[in-house]
Amino acid sequence: DQQVKQNSPSLSVQEGRISILNCDYTNSMFDYFLWYKKYPAEGPTFLISISSIKDKNEDGRFTVFLNKSAKHLSLHIVPSQPGDSAVYFCAASAGRGGSEKLVFGKGTKLTVNP
Amino acid sequence: ETGVTQTPRHLVMGMTNKKSLKCEQHLGHNAMYWYKQSAKKPLELMFVYNFKEQTENNSVPSRFSPECPNSSHLFLHLHTLQPEDSALYLCASSQGGRLQETQYFGPGTRLLVL
Repeated sequence: DQQVKQNSPSLSVQEGRISILNCDYTNSMFDYFLWYKKYPAEGPTFLISISSIKDKNEDGRFTVFLNKSAKHLSLHIVPSQPGDSAVYFCAASAGRGGSEKLVFGKGTKLTVNP
Repeated sequence: ETGVTQTPRHLVMGMTNKKSLKCEQHLGHNAMYWYKQSAKKPLELMFVYNFKEQTENNSVPSRFSPECPNSSHLFLHLHTLQPEDSALYLCASSQGGRLQETQYFGPGTRLLVL
C-alpha cells in the first residue's frame, strides 16, 4: 500500500509556463516533506522541503504548497526551463512519534519543451 | 571528491557470485542509507546506519549484508542474488541524530543479476 502517491507519471510543459507537480499521502503521521529531482544516470538531488507547521515554502523558481487537511502537496516551478526536465520525486517522513525514514513516491517525469 | 560517491556504477553478476557495493560520503555526515529502486517502483529504504550503528533494516533478505566501518563508508555485500534483485542501488547520507534531515544521494549502482 503506497503511502506517498504521485498519480501523474509524466507531465509536459512549454518553456516559460508553470509546471505543477502533485503528490498525495495517506499517513497522517507525516510531518516533513521533500522534493527531489533526478536526472538520468545521477542520484536524486534535494530540491526543496516543507515542514507541516507551514503551508508554503519558496526558493527561487520553486514553491512547495502543503494542504494538510487534503493530505496533498504540490511543487510549482515558474517559469519552467528546459533544464528542469527530470524525474521529480515527492518524499515524506514522520519525525514526531513515528519512523524518521523517508517514504518516496514513484516520481513524475517532467519535460519542458523549448 | 565531493558529496556522495558510489562504486561501481554498473555491475553484472551471476546468481552464485559474491560482490560488494561501496559508498563514500565526503560531507561529514553521521547517517548513511541504502535504497533500492526497481523499475516502476518507488525508492525503497533498505538499511540505515546512524553513527555506525544499524538503526533500520527494512525486512531485507539476508543475501544483502550491509557494513559500516566508519561514518564515511558504507558497503553492501551481495551473495547469491536473484534476477529480481536487479535494480538501481542508491546510497545516501545525512547529518545524523536530528529530525527532519535532508538526505544527499550518490549516483547509484546499476545492478543486473543474470
